[in-house]
Amino acid sequence: SQTIHQWPATLVQPVGSPLSLECTVEGTSNPNLYWYRQAAGRGLQLLFYSVGIGQISSEVPQNLSASRPQDRQFILSSKKLLLSDSGFYLCAWSPGLAGDETDTQYFGPGTRLTVL
Amino acid sequence: DAKTTQPPSMDCAEGRAANLPCNHSTISGNEYVYWYRQIHSQGPQYIIHGLKNNETNEMASLIITEDRKSSTLILPHATLRDTAVYYCIALDDKIIFGKGTRLHILP
Repeated sequence: SQTIHQWPATLVQPVGSPLSLECTVEGTSNPNLYWYRQAAGRGLQLLFYSVGIGQISSEVPQNLSASRPQDRQFILSSKKLLLSDSGFYLCAWSPGLAGDETDTQYFGPGTRLTVL
Repeated sequence: DAKTTQPPSMDCAEGRAANLPCNHSTISGNEYVYWYRQIHSQGPQYIIHGLKNNETNEMASLIITEDRKSSTLILPHATLRDTAVYYCIALDDKIIFGKGTRLHILP
C-alpha cells in the first residue's frame, strides 16, 4: 500500500531564517506530487505541483520554492521566511492516471510551521 | 476560486444521517465532484467522488442531481469521530479547496 510521510511535524522558525520541508511517498512510482498551505481559519491553497522529477509548476507567486530531486521526494524551501509564511503545510500525491480516470489526491499528515 | 458553495456549518445528532449539501452550478460536463474531510490538525482525507451517477462506498454515499448542479454527501450513521470540515470540490485538473462545511456531531 502507498504511504506518504512529511517531516518535521511541527516547526518554529524566526523571521528571515531558511526553510526546508520534506515529503516522501512509498509504494508507488512516478506519482504527481503537490504542496498545499492552509493558513489559520482558511481553506487549502495549492502552492506547487509536480508531474515528474525536476518538473515543478508554481500556482502562487511567493518567496517559497519547490524541488523534486527524486521520483518520490518533494521538498518545499524558502531562503528567508516571512511572518505570513506561518501555516499548515500539506503534501499530497496522486497516481497521475491518464485517460478518463480522474486522479484522486491523498494527503500527508502535514507540517505546522510557526514563524516568529 | 472554488467552483462550489457549501454552508459554513451544520449540526447532526449522533447516530443520525448527516446530509451535507453542495452547490456547483457552473460545473462542466467532465468535472468530477469530490468530497474530502479534514479532522482538526490532520491532512485532508478522501471520502468519495462521482461524475453523474450516485456513488456509495464504506464511508459515505454521494447523491448528484440529474442536472449536476448540486450534490449531497450522506454519512449514514454519524459518530463523534465524523466531526470535521467537509470539502466539496469540482475537479477538472487541479483540486481547489473552498472553506467547506464544519460538521458538528452532537452526542
